[in-house]
Amino acid sequence: DAGVTQSPTHLIKTRGQQVTLRCSPKSGHDTVSWYQQALGQGPQFIFQYYEEEERQRGNFPDRFSGHQFPNYSSELNVNALLLGDSALYLCASSLESGESRDTQYFGPGTRLTVL
Amino acid sequence: RKEVEQDPGPFNVPEGATVAFNCTYSNSASQSFFWYRQDCRKEPKLLMSVYSSGNEDGRFTAQLNRASQYISLLIRDSKLSDSATYLCVVNRAGSSNTGKLIFGQGTTLQVKP
Repeated sequence: DAGVTQSPTHLIKTRGQQVTLRCSPKSGHDTVSWYQQALGQGPQFIFQYYEEEERQRGNFPDRFSGHQFPNYSSELNVNALLLGDSALYLCASSLESGESRDTQYFGPGTRLTVL
Repeated sequence: RKEVEQDPGPFNVPEGATVAFNCTYSNSASQSFFWYRQDCRKEPKLLMSVYSSGNEDGRFTAQLNRASQYISLLIRDSKLSDSATYLCVVNRAGSSNTGKLIFGQGTTLQVKP
């Protein structure tokens, strides 16, 4: 049973650049959520995708955008990178229906460093 | 005020000790509650869901008090391998979606020989 996978593992960018992070959900899951975790803090919700649409969004600027594909995989795009965007970006997958609909499973994350 | 608050610790305990973590949440619309464990530079992993009736999984016991908006985690007979950050999490699921997870800052546990 394949778990949540993310790529790349690590990424180094410079201010002003753009970055795309990728996520494949756990087998059978249809909902993908993205979180940002700064050092020493708990993860913060960025947005959630279901049926290829953004369904919920946290307090993140429009520089953060995403996409979900028909196979449920997802991308997170960040434009005009700032130093403060340096963080661990986590993808979590879940199933829209059923008893475990509230439970989200996390991928290993992408560690983004902005110089 | 943060929506989910935890004492960040660190908690330094000897092997075999019993340790308790507490967490409070401010939004009464919160519907589901969890404890996640996060090892250094790794992703959070679900430790257990938390129910009002209390639930136990081996050495771990979780409790929810909705009236006080308070969640707890008790670890008995601590092992070296329990050393990690424990994240208190609430989910404000709506009627038609799986909601978003709101995380506390995390409580760091260090179990020493």
